[in-house]
Amino acid sequence: GNSVTQMEGPVTLSEEAFLTINCTYTATGYPSLFWYVQYPGEGLQLLLKATKADDKGSNKGFEATYRKETTSFHLEKGSVQVSDSAVYFCALRGKDSSYKLIFGSGTRLLVRP
Amino acid sequence: DTGVSQNPRHKITKRGQNVTFRCDPISEHNRLYWYRQTLGQGPEFLTYFQNEAQLEKSRLLSDRFSAERPKGSFSTLEIQRTEQGDSAMYLCASSLDTGEEGEKLFFGSGTQLSVL
Repeated sequence: GNSVTQMEGPVTLSEEAFLTINCTYTATGYPSLFWYVQYPGEGLQLLLKATKADDKGSNKGFEATYRKETTSFHLEKGSVQVSDSAVYFCALRGKDSSYKLIFGSGTRLLVRP
Repeated sequence: DTGVSQNPRHKITKRGQNVTFRCDPISEHNRLYWYRQTLGQGPEFLTYFQNEAQLEKSRLLSDRFSAERPKGSFSTLEIQRTEQGDSAMYLCASSLDTGEEGEKLFFGSGTQLSVL
């Protein structure tokens, strides 16, 4: 079945450091891929998405590229801020008729001043 | 647009009791989803509605769980004879049903259930 694997957290960085959170997936065909973010006390929010191979999703300085050959969708940001501290979830939606999202277990990011 | 609203925010109940949660989606959204999230894990899909029709149910949704969306607007999730293993955050999400916008889910803040 479809699944998503994320690197375990927490990830602790200093402000302005480079961020990478790894995500790999297993799926039949070519799913749509997403990164959702959950700030403390808030609901999950869509951060970015990519719907086909080699697409790059980007938002708020975050980027992720859909890599079919490595079945990966790693999240990157060149310079993190304290306000980026949150839990980040990688997710996929299969290209079958289902509209459900399958999430990874989440990676907590803590950015220190 | 006030976003997806869930009530109550917290629910504490004794094992064996029934509980019901409510979700009010964004008004123009046709699709409504229920997920469950336990500590340190990502959300797990439970069920989804297209308007008032329940189109998919996860195997996680045992016969003690029932969800409704009677008029295609708000939805309720009921758990009968609660068990301690039901303790989790129950999340509701909604989306449009057209094209790429249909892939953008808006989540509520969830209902935290604690079964004692």
